[in-house]
Amino acid sequence: QSALTQPRSVSGSPGQSVTISCSGTSSDVGGYNYVSWYRQHPGKAPKLMIYDVSKRPSGVPDRFSGSKSGNTASLTISGLQAEDEADYYCCSYAGSYTWVFGGGTKLTVL
Amino acid sequence: EVQLLESGGGLVQPGGSLRLSCAASGFTFSSYAMSWVRQAPGKGLEWVSSISGSGDSTYYADSVKGRFTISRDNSKDTLYLQMNSLRAEDTAVYYCARDPAVVVVAATVFDYWGQGTLVTVSS
Repeated sequence: QSALTQPRSVSGSPGQSVTISCSGTSSDVGGYNYVSWYRQHPGKAPKLMIYDVSKRPSGVPDRFSGSKSGNTASLTISGLQAEDEADYYCCSYAGSYTWVFGGGTKLTVL
Repeated sequence: EVQLLESGGGLVQPGGSLRLSCAASGFTFSSYAMSWVRQAPGKGLEWVSSISGSGDSTYYADSVKGRFTISRDNSKDTLYLQMNSLRAEDTAVYYCARDPAVVVVAATVFDYWGQGTLVTVSS
């Protein structure tokens, strides 16, 4: 159950788009369409932003989108806003009723 | 409004035990699977354990298997995590999280989270 690989940090200016990658293996990301993404502001609980690779829960703006290619999933945030500055974590089903998270990516809005 | 409130964290010596609780409100507790996810200081998230809505099915990460036990009392709308043989590497904020499904499935996600309770394992 090794953690999924995410870039430590990404940045973008307000209004721009950023993409956060999440690399795994054929035993997790590549093997199932069960990737989810969570946003966590400092000192706060995580919030579900994307599930099943590309689905958005009710209330999450359509500026957030998810995709997957092979063993790598991606979260794209368009029209960056100051409130998007946070840590983002991917999560994937890893088989045998286990789940694995990524190490997290700090998004800075310049 | 869905609310999850964890309690029971604190300082414990290596090898000791602790029981965490998560009081749920705002939804029909027994209709949802529940999970524990932890976050070591300054680190990322780590899935720990999940339990079905009935409590009949439980699942654990390898890192805690045999030491931690997840359970629930649907009459009290409360989730538990019994932690034994604690190690320094178990030091973390422990979050309880709700799963939209009643059974634990591959598509499990964590749609609501509590604010967490800090467990510190140190002598």
